[in-house]
Amino acid sequence: GAVVSQHPSWVICKSGTSVKIECRSLDFQATTMFWYRQFPKQSLMLMATSNEGSKATYEQGVEKDKFLINHASLTLSTLTVTSAHPEDSSFYICSARLAYSMLEFFGPGTRLTVL
Amino acid sequence: SQKIEQNSEALNIQEGKTATLTCNYTNYSPAYLQWYRQDPGRGPVFLLLIRENEKEKRKERLKVTFDTTLKQSLFHITASQPADSATYLCALEGSNTGKLIFGQGTTLQVKP
Repeated sequence: GAVVSQHPSWVICKSGTSVKIECRSLDFQATTMFWYRQFPKQSLMLMATSNEGSKATYEQGVEKDKFLINHASLTLSTLTVTSAHPEDSSFYICSARLAYSMLEFFGPGTRLTVL
Repeated sequence: SQKIEQNSEALNIQEGKTATLTCNYTNYSPAYLQWYRQDPGRGPVFLLLIRENEKEKRKERLKVTFDTTLKQSLFHITASQPADSATYLCALEGSNTGKLIFGQGTTLQVKP
């Protein structure tokens, strides 16, 4: 149980285009989902917290107009990287937390490469 | 300032030996601490959670200790196998925020 999926697993796009990444909790409902970014040989850095039905909360230094987050249902959150630039190339990972739980389950990640 | 530190150098050990990884933190008072495994190009996989009032937690060949006085957690893998080779991350909740803060991870390489 507690499986989280992400789609796509990898994407290559041209600079200036927008890319949408989906995060789904497959067998449980997640009131809270998180989006992380991980650069090579570095740890996961939290970008934003996404609560179903409300606006996402962004960490300091993360541009909310560049990284659009939508959490329209209890099983789906999306991250859209708008006007992507090469420096946005990274590994994006989502996670979902069970209601009333400390446990966080992670998706397999999406590798974004911006040319 | 708040920090979570893990050995950034890779840990190389022989198959069958016990691997011990360290996680130190400063200026946090976490109610619990978690350990994750991450394989290259994959998301983290939850391994163990230990609460502040627990000294030790075990799961099969894994053992975690938590010393809130030393502000340290140790992660042990006994009878290590090449399949245990991965990066291991510790994480704790930052200041009652409900958000996980991760260490940079320690890469373990188990040689046959």
